Amino acid sequence: NFILTQPHSVSESPGKTVTISCTRSSGTIASNFVQWYQQRPGSAPTTVISEHNRRPSGVPDRFSGSIDSSSNSASLTISGLKTEDEADYYCQSYDGSNQVFGGGTKLTVL
Amino acid sequence: EVQLVQSGAEVKKPGESLKISCKGSGYSFTNYWIGWVRQMPGKGLEWMGIIYPGDSDTRYSPSFQGQVTISADKSISTAYLQWSSLQASDTAMYYCARQWSFDYWGQGSLVTVSS
Repeated sequence: NFILTQPHSVSESPGKTVTISCTRSSGTIASNFVQWYQQRPGSAPTTVISEHNRRPSGVPDRFSGSIDSSSNSASLTISGLKTEDEADYYCQSYDGSNQVFGGGTKLTVL
Repeated sequence: EVQLVQSGAEVKKPGESLKISCKGSGYSFTNYWIGWVRQMPGKGLEWMGIIYPGDSDTRYSPSFQGQVTISADKSISTAYLQWSSLQASDTAMYYCARQWSFDYWGQGSLVTVSS
């Protein structure tokens, strides 16, 4: 089994760009798709990035995903930050018959 | 429109049994996996398991194997998560979500276990 490690929290100002990392402990990051979920307080998670870098319909193009094989990590980048982007963000991937979530990153937009 | 609608909040006592539900609509229920995710108060997301309603193929997280049962009734497009004997530590929000990539999520079912 593997672990996905995310920073506990990040903060940035409105209008700026922030990147949240997700590092896979074993196995290659590219071998299974990585998804990213946004969870606002009191709400269910929603998908902002699927299959490494696909944006579901309705997700602003300010959100983008990528993977870096050299660091065995995935990243979620949010540009032009808005106060409404303040939320918890989780990465997720799978390996065989097992799903794994990262621990989550709290994004503060101040 | 794809929707996953979960059953309402439950308050139970330790030792009681419980079955919560997740009804899918707007897509072919039998052709997509449905997974369950736990979120304990103030904590992150934990994958519990997943079922393919078409043939009831079910996979469990090692952490939840033997602790819960996942099932589905494709005739009514509904997946279930059940406990035979609840513990206080089962107090959490439970979400269902579609596919291994969790592209659509239910609204969550809050389960509170308290004596």
